[in-house]
Amino acid sequence: EAQVTQNPRYLITVTGKKLTVTCSQNMNHEYMSWYRQDPGLGLRQIYYSMNVEVTDKGDVPEGYKVSRKEKRNFPLILESPSPNQTSLYFCASSPHSTGGNQPQHFGDGTRLSIL
Amino acid sequence: DAKTTQPPSMDCAEGRAANLPCNHSTISGNEYVYWYRQIHSQGPQYIIHGLKNNETNEMASLIITEDRKSSTLILPHATLRDTAVYYCIVRVAILGNEKLTFGTGTRLTIIP
Repeated sequence: EAQVTQNPRYLITVTGKKLTVTCSQNMNHEYMSWYRQDPGLGLRQIYYSMNVEVTDKGDVPEGYKVSRKEKRNFPLILESPSPNQTSLYFCASSPHSTGGNQPQHFGDGTRLSIL
Repeated sequence: DAKTTQPPSMDCAEGRAANLPCNHSTISGNEYVYWYRQIHSQGPQYIIHGLKNNETNEMASLIITEDRKSSTLILPHATLRDTAVYYCIVRVAILGNEKLTFGTGTRLTIIP
């Protein structure tokens, strides 16, 4: 089954303790992206990657890192999490397109609470 | 990406067709109209997209007006599981970033 898998689904942790949220897709998609969703603010893009070893900042990249060493994986790294990073996180992937003609597929989300 | 306007909420009786409108009067010629939905706090689910022509798939139909300034998503036989927030998005990939800009959407409630 074609899917985007995020782990963990839920995490409660403390300020400053490094954490990684993994994202894996089995559709051989070139493009992957991370969003965060907060009440009243909608979904905002954190980082994206157009292919292996190609990553770039989205709208709200501060406090986050990503890597794309393999096509299927796109982990989101919080080196020193802070309470304002408490949010619902989504990973998405799609085939690469030049005209926006490819739908993105989303994971089930990771609910992160930073105390 | 062009801005979209959707009603904040709608109700629809179970078994009836749900028609969700979207205005996108500033849409450009190369921008696609996408529809996604989000059930509770699950990941957004892709429904359908189109450029100019009407589109239909196993989930829904998309009707785009001739001037492309508005569209309607049709769920032909709504079920309780269709209760969700529905997002209309217009977009074109810029420099390879396939970013989706979600607005506030329409909260659709299916009434038994």
